[in-house]
Formats: sequence, C-alpha cells, structure tokens
Amino acid sequence: QQQVKQSPQSLIVQKGGISIINCAYENTAFDYFPWYQQFPGKGPALLIAIRPDVSEKKEGRFTISFNKSAKQFSLHIMDSQPGDSATYFCAARGGSGTYKYIFGTGTRLKVLA
Amino acid sequence: NAGVTQTPKFQVLKTGQSMTLQCAQDMNHNSMYWYRQDPGMGLRLIYYSASEGTTDKGEVPNGYNVSRLNKREFSLRLESAAPSQTSVYFCASSHDRLNTEAFFGQGTRLTVV
Repeated sequence: QQQVKQSPQSLIVQKGGISIINCAYENTAFDYFPWYQQFPGKGPALLIAIRPDVSEKKEGRFTISFNKSAKQFSLHIMDSQPGDSATYFCAARGGSGTYKYIFGTGTRLKVLA
Repeated sequence: NAGVTQTPKFQVLKTGQSMTLQCAQDMNHNSMYWYRQDPGMGLRLIYYSASEGTTDKGEVPNGYNVSRLNKREFSLRLESAAPSQTSVYFCASSHDRLNTEAFFGQGTRLTVV
C-alpha cells in the first residue's frame, strides 16, 4: 500500500519556468513532511520541510504548499535552473510514536537551458 | 564531519551468497533506517531502528535481517542473495527529539547475478 503518492513521475521545464510536484498522503498521523533532492550517484539530501500546522513555507526559490484537509502537499520551484535537474522525493514521517519516513516514488526533473 | 558512512559502495554477489552492509553515523542520532531504491519505486523502507537494541520491519523486510549493534551502527544482512535484491541501498539516521531531517549515506550499489 502506497502511503505517499507522488506525481508526476517525470517533468521537463524550460529555464526560468515553474516546476510543480505534487504529493498526497493517507495517514493523518504523519507529523513532518520533507522534500529531498537527489543527484545521480548521491544520497538524497533535505531540500525543505514543513509541519502540518503550517500552510506554506518558502526558502529561496523553493516553496512547499500544504493542504491538511485535502491531505496534499506540493513543491514549487520558481525560476527553475538547469542545476535543479535532479530527482525529487516527497516524504512523510509517521506519527503515533514512530519516526519512520515513508517516501513517494520520486519525480525526475529536467530543466532545459 | 563524516555524517552517515556506508560500506561497501559497490558489490556484486552470486545468487545464494550472503553479505552484510555496514552503516555508521557520528551524529549521535537515535533513529536509523535502511532503504532500497529501485527505478520507479522510490525509496522503500526495509527496516527501522528507533534506538539501540530495537528494530522494526518496514515496507519490504523479506529476505533481510538487521542488527543495531550500538547507537552508531546499523547493519543490513542478506542471508541468501537473490536477483530481486539487486538495488541501491541507503542507510539514514535522524535525531527525532530535535525533529530534524533524516541524513542519508552515499549508498551501496548491489548487483546479484
């Protein structure tokens, strides 16, 4: 059972455009929602994260929008750059006394120069 | 600051062989994790350890065993490797009381022939 569903699987954006990646979750006990960025041959690294009591968080060109009632959250990359080309994973950390991180299936982003 | 260190980085096994993947973190984190990454499947949790001496199954535990030797080290063992276990394996750790991110190692690329 996929507890965190991520879309799209791949995304091609022109330089300067906006990249949008969406995730939906099922478990209302999740208490922390990070986004990870992964370059080829490397481990995932935290990009930005949000807690469910906040509707939006912005760090530079990266913004998380969070809709608790819809159980959805999304990553927006403004002014996308070729250096942003990577695989992005959303994740949710289990509440109810556990700290397991459940990941989405990933989105491969390619930003064209 | 080493962070999360995994060994080996690459390994080729024959079907039926056994091996142990090693992971160590130097950040005094409580929780440690083993994930496998397969194309189109994202990061799937194999096993999780909330503290020394405790382990919990994740989404795909079959064919694996783990050992949380101490707070620093969390090993993953394949007793009888199968081609279906060909994957990239990532170890991660997090300090849950501080509600911080999970940090990942650089991964182990395992091929079972």
